[in-house]
Amino acid sequence: LAKTTQPISMDSYEGQEVNITCSHNNIATNDYITWYQQFPSQGPRFIIQGYKTKVTNEVASLFIPADRKSSTLSLPRVSLSDTAVYYCLVGDPSRSWGKLQFGAGTQVVVTP
Amino acid sequence: EPEVTQTPSHQVTQMGQEVILRCVPISNHLYFYWYRQILGQKVEFLVSFYNNEISEKSEIFDDQFSVERPDGSNFTLKIRSTKLEDSAMYFCASREGVNEKLFFGSGTQLSVL
Repeated sequence: LAKTTQPISMDSYEGQEVNITCSHNNIATNDYITWYQQFPSQGPRFIIQGYKTKVTNEVASLFIPADRKSSTLSLPRVSLSDTAVYYCLVGDPSRSWGKLQFGAGTQVVVTP
Repeated sequence: EPEVTQTPSHQVTQMGQEVILRCVPISNHLYFYWYRQILGQKVEFLVSFYNNEISEKSEIFDDQFSVERPDGSNFTLKIRSTKLEDSAMYFCASREGVNEKLFFGSGTQLSVL
């Protein structure tokens, strides 16, 4: 599984866009990039997954450059309820999805 | 959205006692997992289960741990003789297929005294 590096914490105000960048220099050809969100005392929750370019859903966007050595999770117009830990995971879905390797994640704190 | 259900939400036990943590995965899911998170630390993989057998396990999942799917709906994690260091939040997760996302339950907070 590819090693990932992401900031330990980020602070934001309500209504702002939050961008969290994850580095994964040794990403393999078959690896996908997936982001999970975790609130205190809750299990992680899937946010978004992508392989290349841009993926968007109702919650977030994921930007992946051509070399795929990094990715950026974008949370548009955050609210207080977006305060959580965000995890970037990289792996081959057909081989590693069951064994997700969580790092320390990025603690995002949204204030009024 | 469908949910993975875990019971109990909190479990307190004495060191050396056996505990069983229970999970009801999403009904059409085929792959089942247990993870744990010690307070302030990372979420750690324990075990994966498919087709009524363990498909992968971590170093944490030693002989004191076992999993079982006793019927068509429940998935349990048993710790035979708990230790203080087993205190953690235990998460059950499931997925429908090999390329599908994982759904996590809300966890069972296990406290070993």
